[in-house]
Amino acid sequence: DADVTQTPRNRITKTGKRIMLECSQTKGHDRMYWYRQDPGLGLRLIYYSFDVKDINKGEISDGYSVSRQAQAKFSLSLESAIPNQTALYFCATSDSQGGIAKNIQYFGAGTRLSVL
Amino acid sequence: SQQGEEDPQALSIQEGENATMNCSYKTSINNLQWYRQNSGRGLVHLILIRSNEREKHSGRLRVTLDTSKKSSSLLITASRAADTASYFCATNNNNDMRFGAGTRLTVKP
Repeated sequence: DADVTQTPRNRITKTGKRIMLECSQTKGHDRMYWYRQDPGLGLRLIYYSFDVKDINKGEISDGYSVSRQAQAKFSLSLESAIPNQTALYFCATSDSQGGIAKNIQYFGAGTRLSVL
Repeated sequence: SQQGEEDPQALSIQEGENATMNCSYKTSINNLQWYRQNSGRGLVHLILIRSNEREKHSGRLRVTLDTSKKSSSLLITASRAADTASYFCATNNNNDMRFGAGTRLTVKP
């Protein structure tokens, strides 16, 4: 579990505030992902990165931005938080050496974000 | 949008019984994976089945894949109270991973 670390684990913020969620990994994987989970909706991909400085939008990127300055770190920012961004956020990693035939993902413990 | 859809949404069984969860998907895949999530925790990978495989086993887990019907099933045999969790299927199509909404399994002691 400690291979993929998310901070903070819980965060309460107010509408309009900028916040950053951090993810770091010691697995040596090149690929990193940010998902959000809402009850009954499963996981939805926000952004993903296949290498340092590589950024790709997922299916729900609006209202979010990311930064990948180092292979081990991938941060997610909410520029101006709104209540419908209240959710559980997960960071995940995968190893491209497994080839496209695998893409097994390893998840952090999650950040529970509440926007009031 | 989600690719996989699990069925049922919730399942409650007694310890020792088998649990079967199903997943249907819409597009072609390279592989399909099953993950487990304990309440409020991160997902943990359980098993992967490639598109050219029909069945795979891992301990008490058995996964089947029918690409003609675009469906998969996860069987947990001789369930234990510790198997209580949510189970998600995830389809992988050229590194495009899509997760379903999950099946919530409760195993009563």
